[in-house]
Amino acid sequence: DAGVIQSPRHEVTEMGQEVTLRCKPISGHNSLFWYRQTMMRGLELLIYFNNNVPIDDSGMPEDRFSAKMPNASFSTLKIQPSEPRDSAVYFCASSLWQMNTEAFFGQGTRLTVV
Amino acid sequence: AQKITQTQPGMFVQEKEAVTLDCTYDTSDPSYGLFWYKQPSSGEMIFLIYQGSYDQQNATEGRYSLNFQKARKSANLVISASQLGDSAMYFCAMRGGGSQGNLIFGKGTKLSVKP
Repeated sequence: DAGVIQSPRHEVTEMGQEVTLRCKPISGHNSLFWYRQTMMRGLELLIYFNNNVPIDDSGMPEDRFSAKMPNASFSTLKIQPSEPRDSAVYFCASSLWQMNTEAFFGQGTRLTVV
Repeated sequence: AQKITQTQPGMFVQEKEAVTLDCTYDTSDPSYGLFWYKQPSSGEMIFLIYQGSYDQQNATEGRYSLNFQKARKSANLVISASQLGDSAMYFCAMRGGGSQGNLIFGKGTKLSVKP
């Protein structure tokens, strides 16, 4: 398996623009997580899906952030409009929906908003 | 609410020595899983070891072992015979059981191995 695939790997955008981050989970995995990593705040869980349904979005910082999972093989995280403080590395991870299974991470998307 | 606490922002260890990275957690879930991940400077997240809340034995994976003390709600990672390649960020994480399946992380510990 190719693992969790995120695109793009790097994104530089201007403040106010819409940004869409993409994730393809490992085939057969039914849980998907979006995280944001910064030096100040560490690895924050933004939203968690199970069987394509959002279970916990309490970590989504503002209404500017939205996430979708239209099917089992694709998810997006959208920021509209983007702000400089959104600059971070965004990780997607997938796993089986079992407490004793590890999550596999994508390589991350480094977002810079100027 | 679930919470993971890693109180050591940074640690140093001499090559070939053992090191313990601390992790405490808080949850009201009777069933949960505890994980450790490694993040080298290249940025990828690498799974190291897992401990279930009902596991009687401490988990071990090669040079990694988990010192699980359920009553104290701690799950410390022990790395034996440190190597230069062990220099990285280390994250403790917890996943709840039942319908609570989210996976939350602590802030991490930066380990530096000295030659």
